[in-house]
Amino acid sequence: GAGVSQSPRYKVAKRGQDVALRCDPISGHVSLFWYQQALGQGPEFLTYFQNEAQLDKSGLPSDRFFAERPEGSVSTLKIQRTQQEDSAVYLCASSLRQGPTLNYGYTFGSGTRLTVV
Amino acid sequence: DAKTTQPNSMESNEEEPVHLPCNHSTISGTDYIHWYRQLPSQGPEYVIHGLTSNVNNRMASLAIAEDRKSSTLILHRATLRDAAVYYCILKRRGSARQLTFGSGTQLTVLP
Repeated sequence: GAGVSQSPRYKVAKRGQDVALRCDPISGHVSLFWYQQALGQGPEFLTYFQNEAQLDKSGLPSDRFFAERPEGSVSTLKIQRTQQEDSAVYLCASSLRQGPTLNYGYTFGSGTRLTVV
Repeated sequence: DAKTTQPNSMESNEEEPVHLPCNHSTISGTDYIHWYRQLPSQGPEYVIHGLTSNVNNRMASLAIAEDRKSSTLILHRATLRDAAVYYCILKRRGSARQLTFGSGTQLTVLP
């Protein structure tokens, strides 16, 4: 597709339920990022993939959060035993790596709004 | 990562120019200055970036101070559709790593 696609657009989960959020990056984009955005705040980094390799997961808030990108394209962010503090917008971004000497922009999806009740 | 400082909010009248400031006094020589904006209910979108020289594109202009410790995003004629949160972000040249967002500037455009 032309842009980064995220699904579902909205998700309501009962506390304790597991959820899976999907990200379809732009075809051919090597780098993929997940961010969490609380209401009224800037996006906070969660994790980063280069192809299928998860190179940085330092932003994941707890071991209930897990991300994968098994074939280097589609990625899934899974949250186990959701808590109310997990309520946020989850954003996915992708980037085409053009080489170590060039700068390149990041394309974001519209996000998944997760509400834990 | 070097940090940036932006005003929390600004207002502008429609069809007037807007100057959004950003301070980055600890910027390093290999840091690019990136601007993204986030419209309501959407993900951030790339606006412009630069290193030392002023830059222009169809969306905006970026004016960079000679000492690179500050920059200004210029919207030449604000429209109601420009109402968004604008983020000024430093990114190391050649790095494929994540962007680090601050709180940004909420721009309100008045009709």
